[in-house]
Amino acid sequence: QQQVKQSPQSLIVQKGGISIINCAYENTAFDYFPWYQQFPGKGPALLIAIRPDVSEKKEGRFTISFNKSAKQFSLHIMDSQPGDSATYFCAARVLYGNKLVFGAGTILRVKS
Amino acid sequence: KAGVTQTPRYLIKTRGQQVTLSCSPISGHRSVSWYQQTPGQGLQFLFEYFSETQRNKGNFPGRFSGRQFSNSRSEMNVSTLELGDSALYLCASSLVGTGTGELFFGEGSRLTVL
Repeated sequence: QQQVKQSPQSLIVQKGGISIINCAYENTAFDYFPWYQQFPGKGPALLIAIRPDVSEKKEGRFTISFNKSAKQFSLHIMDSQPGDSATYFCAARVLYGNKLVFGAGTILRVKS
Repeated sequence: KAGVTQTPRYLIKTRGQQVTLSCSPISGHRSVSWYQQTPGQGLQFLFEYFSETQRNKGNFPGRFSGRQFSNSRSEMNVSTLELGDSALYLCASSLVGTGTGELFFGEGSRLTVL
């Protein structure tokens, strides 16, 4: 069974702090691991993504760390801002197609 | 460049009716996927179309169906609606059929079944 487990369910961070969201997967038939950000009333927007042959990827304040042997990956948001308050989803794409398996989501609130 | 466009954005139906949702992918994108989002089950994959062929299907009953046209536009249909079908239905498009092509989501169609 293909599953992605995400934690925590919710997270409150002070402005300027670091937000960390973790995900773990249970099947090796994944070839791409994106993170999506979703605001209320909007569709998920691609934030950053990584392939399993890379251990870390950084784009601005957002960094993905990937541990292939542990089947875990995480999103770090540096210098968190109130505008980052949203729901974040990790996902894993199944080989040979565009099927994404999503984590349950993390509601992030950044306090100013 | 226009994003993924979904219509209608909101709709209300009653149990037993059927509904058709439409998705226009980003220009040049040939892969279209559909997802259902609910508070209880989260984001769940429905099906994917590439070059008018269904490539993958999720674990949903046969009441859920879809198709893709030659211009890559896609529709999904839900027949004999049930209360549990109330959800946000999201369409995502991708430039390529596989590999590292990014998936871009539309704003979704919010279906309420009464």
